[in-house]
Amino acid sequence: SQQGEEDPQALSIQEGENATMNCSYKTSINNLQWYRQNSGRGLVHLILIRSNEREKHSGRLRVTLDTSKKSSSLLITASRAADTASYFCATGPNQAGTALIFGKGTTLSVSS
Amino acid sequence: DTAVSQTPKYLVTQMGNDKSIKCEQNLGHDTMYWYKQDSKKFLKIMFSYNNKELIINETVPNRFSPKSPDKAHLNLHINSLELGDSAVYFCASSQGGGGASYGYTFGSGTRLTVV
Repeated sequence: SQQGEEDPQALSIQEGENATMNCSYKTSINNLQWYRQNSGRGLVHLILIRSNEREKHSGRLRVTLDTSKKSSSLLITASRAADTASYFCATGPNQAGTALIFGKGTTLSVSS
Repeated sequence: DTAVSQTPKYLVTQMGNDKSIKCEQNLGHDTMYWYKQDSKKFLKIMFSYNNKELIINETVPNRFSPKSPDKAHLNLHINSLELGDSAVYFCASSQGGGGASYGYTFGSGTRLTVV
């Protein structure tokens, strides 16, 4: 069953602006991950945040996790046209023998 | 030097045919996966193998049969293809003994079109 729900479904911004995407999930997790998918390509792993972490940074990416609200956010600062892609959150269930469960994704368009 | 490679990239075939998609990873990962992405970009896990052993087998028609000859390879064979099988199929791999504790490395996908 689907676990993560991203919000918004689509986001259009100008270069240099910040982009924020949110993800909500339903059940207990071991970790939450964010992936990027460029049009016609495979998914690329961006960042993993474990359930005992609240915030993580990687370059221009900042991820937060609130397990009490079962939600996460991905912030991309100073966006570039090359950031145009779909972004997916994926949850790692707190259960052996499981696989990542993906949300429906947010489509980000960055115009120059 | 591609980490996870899938072949073919595109596959167009008629209903009723049997086809295979191959996947290989050179990362030394123990676990491999097949995901299906539909036209709305929703990704759904189909199968997972850990060191050649099937550990996840979601509700998938038994026309789909995965095979893992060794831990670096995971192939997907589909019998009697149907129109509804049209999708993009992604292979992925990860460290660990299966599960979702690590990031996944994805292949570039195989776009299957059944006509």
